[in-house]
Amino acid sequence: SQQGEEDPQALSIQEGENATMNCSYKTSINNLQWYRQNSGRGLVHLILIRSNEREKHSGRLRVTLDTSKKSSSLLITASRAADTASYFCATDSLYNTDKLIFGTGTRLQVFP
Amino acid sequence: EAGVAQSPRYKIIEKRQSVAFWCNPISGHATLYWYQQILGQGPKLLIQFQNNGVVDDSQLPKDRFSAERLKGVDSTLKIQPAKLEDSAVYLCASSHLTDKYFGAGTRLSVL
Repeated sequence: SQQGEEDPQALSIQEGENATMNCSYKTSINNLQWYRQNSGRGLVHLILIRSNEREKHSGRLRVTLDTSKKSSSLLITASRAADTASYFCATDSLYNTDKLIFGTGTRLQVFP
Repeated sequence: EAGVAQSPRYKIIEKRQSVAFWCNPISGHATLYWYQQILGQGPKLLIQFQNNGVVDDSQLPKDRFSAERLKGVDSTLKIQPAKLEDSAVYLCASSHLTDKYFGAGTRLSVL
């Protein structure tokens, strides 16, 4: 079963704009991760945020985590056409940090 | 560093036929995972190996799916017999500590 629900399901923006994707999950976690998947390719790890962290940055990526609301957001600033992909959040469980449960994903289209 | 290798990339079969997928993880990665990703959904873990032992196969439909990692290196996932709803991308991943690396996947179409 899917742990996370992502919102929006699809997002279309112009290059240079910011893209924000949201993820909600159901059970308590140790970590939440974000992955990118280009069409026909495997998943690439973007960033991990621990349950005791509220915000994390990596290059043009900014992730927030609100454990009280069981939600996270991924912000991509100054988007590029190469950012076009599907983005998934993934959570682990308190009992097995190796077992990732993925959300349904957000399909991002960045137009040049 | 070579990535996770999977083959074949694509497979088309008819329902009730059998199919097998192969995965070669990154050298030295003890943990190997098989995920099923149905179109429009996120990946779902089917089975997790630690070396050649199974850690979690709670979501593997054991009546038709089987997986092995006999020597603790490469792995095969088999479906026998296949159903229409097995159409999906089958992703293999391996990990060292917390970092997971995914292969490009095998896209299975069951007709």
